[in-house]
Amino acid sequence: QIVLTQSPAIMSASLGEEITLTCSASSSVSYMHWYQQKSGTSPKLLIYSTSNLASGVPSRFSGSGSGTFYSLTISSVEAEDAADYYCHQWSSYPTFGSGTKLEIK
Amino acid sequence: QVTLKESGPGILQPSQTLSLTCSFSGFSLSTSGMGVSWIRQPSGKGLEWLAHIYWDDDKRYNPSLKSRLTISKDTSSNQVFLKITSVDTADTATYYCARREVYDYDWYFDVWGAGTTVTVSS
Repeated sequence: QIVLTQSPAIMSASLGEEITLTCSASSSVSYMHWYQQKSGTSPKLLIYSTSNLASGVPSRFSGSGSGTFYSLTISSVEAEDAADYYCHQWSSYPTFGSGTKLEIK
Repeated sequence: QVTLKESGPGILQPSQTLSLTCSFSGFSLSTSGMGVSWIRQPSGKGLEWLAHIYWDDDKRYNPSLKSRLTISKDTSSNQVFLKITSVDTADTATYYCARREVYDYDWYFDVWGAGTTVTVSS
């Protein structure tokens, strides 16, 4: 199976700050997908196929990467961005990263 | 509008069989390319993919749990089912179903249900 390692596990950011979350794959994958999960709710698709914004997702979110290294960037953090973020790949069978918790200072 | 909703027993005892139902609307599992997965999440922990069923009734399972899982569907009633045998406390989690979408020969989950919480306890 392909193991996805996310870092950092916890990130604390100030309002308006630009932040980058990373996801490293144990083997090369073609694409990476990202989900946002707010407390008490189900995961919501944020970015698909590495860099495509899902419908309704604010443009401050962006994704990039290739091979074994992918990242999710929030250009200007807002209070509503406090959540857990998971990367996901489906090369052989689906696996998820362990998540990054984003806290707002 | 695509929606999915999970239902389950809430609580069950160790060694029993867990039966879950995913009821969906806004798409048909008889449409070529469509698929639905089950994914679970223990409280405070990460996501674990369990099983997937395709429009043509092909099935895929998480290798670490394959012997205990059975996924099936009823296309006419827009439902997908998952059975997990011999449950224990480690199976306590919120169980989600999610629809698979495809882009450039890659797949992801575009819509998720709200989840159903399952507790295994004696």
